[in-house]
Amino acid sequence: DAKTTQPTSMDCAEGRAANLPCNHSTISGNEYVYWYRQIHSQGPQYIIHGLKNNETNEMASLIITEDRKSSTLILPHATLRDTAVYYCIVSTVPREYGNKLVFGAGTILRVKS
Amino acid sequence: GAVVSQHPSWVICKSGTSVKIECRSLDFQATTMFWYRQFPKQSLMLMATSNEGSKATYEQGVEKDKFLINHASLTLSTLTVTSAHPEDSSFYICSANPTSRGYTDTQYFGPGTRLTVL
Repeated sequence: DAKTTQPTSMDCAEGRAANLPCNHSTISGNEYVYWYRQIHSQGPQYIIHGLKNNETNEMASLIITEDRKSSTLILPHATLRDTAVYYCIVSTVPREYGNKLVFGAGTILRVKS
Repeated sequence: GAVVSQHPSWVICKSGTSVKIECRSLDFQATTMFWYRQFPKQSLMLMATSNEGSKATYEQGVEKDKFLINHASLTLSTLTVTSAHPEDSSFYICSANPTSRGYTDTQYFGPGTRLTVL
């Protein structure tokens, strides 16, 4: 699986958009970009995933560059409850036997009032 | 939908005893479940892949005789930490990919089990 690089930490003001970058320059053609987050002492929570088109759901938007070597997760209106570790993971789409997710260090996002 | 539960949420045991942790998919079936371990201030580390009806696949460096995995049904996988020692104290998390149709292709995680070995 391709490796990802994320900033160690970021701060964001409450109510503002949080933009979390991720580099995945070695991503291969059949690999998707997944984003999960982990709030302290809880299991990871799925946020969004995409292949090459931009994606949006009720939680966030995912912007993937045309060359697919980097992406940005956007939380449009960050709240204090969005304070968490955000993980960008590259992996194939799960088939019959699932897909392995290899977690890096992630980005600690601190939303401040 | 797509809820994964774990039991217990936390457990304290004496050194040398065995502890069983259950992982259940509540509203979907999962051919495959995964077990992770997370030490304080570190990221999740994949321990093993649990396949229903067959032997688990362990990651390099994970002792299969110490961490016994059983995936007896499409909704239940168990992890047994045998002869636990203080260095096994950690946060154990399971996850599952739904195999039934109607769910997006993604992996859902349980809330984790905090194991403390005295």
